[in-house]
Amino acid sequence: QKEVEQDPGPLSVPEGAIVSLNCTYSNSAFQYFMWYRQYSRKGPELLMYTYSSGNKEDGRFTAQVDKSSKYISLFIRDSQPSDSATYLCAMTPSGSARQLTFGSGTQLTVLP
Amino acid sequence: DADVTQTPRNRITKTGKRIMLECSQTKGHDRMYWYRQDPGLGLRLIYYSFDVKDINKGEISDGYSVSRQAQAKFSLSLESAIPNQTALYFCATSDSRDSPTNEQFFGPGTRLTVL
Repeated sequence: QKEVEQDPGPLSVPEGAIVSLNCTYSNSAFQYFMWYRQYSRKGPELLMYTYSSGNKEDGRFTAQVDKSSKYISLFIRDSQPSDSATYLCAMTPSGSARQLTFGSGTQLTVLP
Repeated sequence: DADVTQTPRNRITKTGKRIMLECSQTKGHDRMYWYRQDPGLGLRLIYYSFDVKDINKGEISDGYSVSRQAQAKFSLSLESAIPNQTALYFCATSDSRDSPTNEQFFGPGTRLTVL
């Protein structure tokens, strides 16, 4: 069983839709939870991060962490065609080493 | 100019050949990483280096080796390439002084095909 599971999609939605992307994990040591966005033919780039449980909002994006359920989500409001990309969750325990464990990524297409 | 560069961007080679992928960064970061990305498997860590004298194996180091020639350069070698090493390879960097997420900055990737 993988430490981090992510539905690979692909997910296709109309412009303006609310998008929900999710990951589950098994390692209770994970403390920092991140979402990376990867456009086609590009490397991933950090979109948002959250520490421990709770919500974090940044514009149209909201990241949620439920440590009791080992479940994290990324919500995109008013989705735009420019949001079309692969979204990867990533997690790490606290501490100086802190290697990232990535999910497999969800491919999202927002149709105009 | 890109902060993390990778060469070559694309490479087709044959089974048994030795291949080197190179990564350079101008971000001044001390930490560097090599990942491979496969459909359905996401990013998997091959090797990482926290400074010039520090090299560590990642999740899938078998069949690979690395060299950290300078703080800004980190190369990945496949001594004898095999077809299941066909993948997209990414180099990444991070700054040990950055907290709390150890944010990693990725290069544009190298698409390697082993025939």
